[in-house]
Amino acid sequence: GEDVEQSLFLSVREGDSSVINCTYTDSSSTYLYWYKQEPGAGLQLLTYIFSNMDMKQDQRLTVLLNKKDKHLSLRIADTQTGDSAIYFCAESIRGSTLGRLYFGRGTQLTVWP
Amino acid sequence: DGGITQSPKYLFRKEGQNVTLSCEQNLNHDAMYWYRQDPGQGLRLIYYSQIVNDFQKGDIAEGYSVSREKKESFPLTVTSAQKNPTAFYLCASSEMASGLKETQYFGPGTRLLVL
Repeated sequence: GEDVEQSLFLSVREGDSSVINCTYTDSSSTYLYWYKQEPGAGLQLLTYIFSNMDMKQDQRLTVLLNKKDKHLSLRIADTQTGDSAIYFCAESIRGSTLGRLYFGRGTQLTVWP
Repeated sequence: DGGITQSPKYLFRKEGQNVTLSCEQNLNHDAMYWYRQDPGQGLRLIYYSQIVNDFQKGDIAEGYSVSREKKESFPLTVTSAQKNPTAFYLCASSEMASGLKETQYFGPGTRLLVL
């Protein structure tokens, strides 16, 4: 229940939408998170979704959760060059060690002007 | 400003030397965590602490040690037993270790290099 998979690279043009995908294996997930990491920096929490929700929108960010397929996505509308970073998906699992997060390997988003 | 600080930003270790990475938070969070990040890899959990004077091993604890004598501090020592210490080390904290309060917030990281 600890496998979180993400594609490693995504390139888009400035102004387009970006969609970063993530799959997880444990159906006992409680919360699912998206973090952003800029070069040489720590992880910045972008958004999260509770496992009983289907969608969450926060300004340019839309999170979609398909529990049946264990698929999570992050859509960034009107992508800007400042959105270039590594994006990590993470899940917390009910019944696991409290507070334990499991991370994917991260998706490197490159935005071309 | 509330947040998590890590120092130093860069740390150099000689062969056979122990080095300590600092992590301090003023968020009044109970839980703290140490992760290791290697290029192209996700984050791997080294140690975590849910409360003062208590901590547990994560997935890759060998060659590392921690202490949690104060709520706001969770230093990580990389010992000489860690044969491949070169990595980016991230400290995180969460308000509690359950429910939405388990959301983790990260410090800026320390890059450890071996001379």
